[in-house]
Amino acid sequence: KQEVTQIPAALSVPEGENLVLNCSFTDSAIYNLQWFRQDPGKGLTSLLLIQSSQREQTSGRLNASLDKSSGRSTLYIAASQPGDSATYLCAVSDYKLSFGAGTTVTVRA
Amino acid sequence: DGGITQSPKYLFRKEGQNVTLSCEQNLNHDAMYWYRQDPGQGLRLIYYSQIVNDFQKGDIAEGYSVSREKKESFPLTVTSAQKNPTAFYLCASSMDRYSNQPQHFGDGTRLSIL
Repeated sequence: KQEVTQIPAALSVPEGENLVLNCSFTDSAIYNLQWFRQDPGKGLTSLLLIQSSQREQTSGRLNASLDKSSGRSTLYIAASQPGDSATYLCAVSDYKLSFGAGTTVTVRA
Repeated sequence: DGGITQSPKYLFRKEGQNVTLSCEQNLNHDAMYWYRQDPGQGLRLIYYSQIVNDFQKGDIAEGYSVSREKKESFPLTVTSAQKNPTAFYLCASSMDRYSNQPQHFGDGTRLSIL
């Protein structure tokens, strides 16, 4: 059974600092890995999707890396802003999507 | 705008009562999903449907039931057999019925016990 872990559970940084969010998974036989953003009381918004054959994916200030062999992915958010405050979830896809519990980020102005 | 609409936003259940959560999508997606989210845990799959008139149990289907009579609609009933129903429920959809990978999520329904 695929287990997805996100550490830390919560993170608080001053505005402008770079964010590094970690995701680990137990079974490396995945099709892809996805990062989502969730605002309080809302649904999930897909940020980045990395196919299993890719090493990284970038969108604006966001960059996600994938190391399948070690079962790890990292989401980097450059020059954080208060609007980046949210919970970030990673999910890995084998025959279904398995989610981590998320990292709740607070960016202080 | 295309998207997924979940209603109601908040729902309260009395002991022994069944309640139904609505999920409607206008994305013309084949596949739809129901997830449960509890604090400190990842989303867990309750049921999914890859096509009209067909649905499959997910990891935590006990105490729940669904129907898929129309492509646009995938309602979830939380029955009295679900002893711990307090949670945030998310509906999702995807175009590809075979990917088992939701692409769009609704804004959720928060269910509480009275």
